[in-house]
Amino acid sequence: DSGVTQTPKHLITATGQRVTLRCSPRSGDLSVYWYQQSLDQGLQFLIQYYNGEERAKGNILERFSAQQFPDLHSELNLSSLELGDSALYFCASSVGVRADNQETQYFGPGTRLLVL
Amino acid sequence: GENVEQHPSTLSVQEGDSAVIKCTYSDSASNYFPWYKQELGKRPQLIIDIRSNVGEKKDQRIAVTLNKTAKHFSLHITETQPEDSAVYFCAATSREGGNQFYFGTGTSLTVIP
Repeated sequence: DSGVTQTPKHLITATGQRVTLRCSPRSGDLSVYWYQQSLDQGLQFLIQYYNGEERAKGNILERFSAQQFPDLHSELNLSSLELGDSALYFCASSVGVRADNQETQYFGPGTRLLVL
Repeated sequence: GENVEQHPSTLSVQEGDSAVIKCTYSDSASNYFPWYKQELGKRPQLIIDIRSNVGEKKDQRIAVTLNKTAKHFSLHITETQPEDSAVYFCAATSREGGNQFYFGTGTSLTVIP
């Protein structure tokens, strides 16, 4: 157990809908990262927050957004869902000491999203 | 942006043999290269990482080598055991690249008892 929690574990929804995925980092970690893992595209970095502020941005679609709250938990919002958004979404956290993010990231168990 | 390629996509070895997974990257500014192990149905876990000011790093049966000139880095697992069976991902990042993490497509390693 990495200490990172994600809810829900599974999510089934329909195209066009909007969902929110939640992540709680390890105690004391200030950085939160979001990743998408699909069969055909592997592991893709989406976005990273540090102490409430966006620090790095990857290939995150405009239909997706994220934020990190004062208690350091983070939410990833996915809207206008398409079939291709079906994937495993991981959250990871790290201490956040290094501004270049070159530190160990601890992954949560993931949320499996299925869009029908 | 950065492009990370990983080979092979699948690898089978006999227990006790060595396994080598190779990654190449395109952005010369990349300076941090972590390796993750993901067992079936589980989360990725960092197993070793290397920074560009180091050519090699070793941790028990696992080692990583980096060739900055050729822009490639490799994961070496010696004396493989069945519990080493998993998917391994390499990644690259740099501050100049916006601190994004670019992942390889993964290598599925099977260690045959």
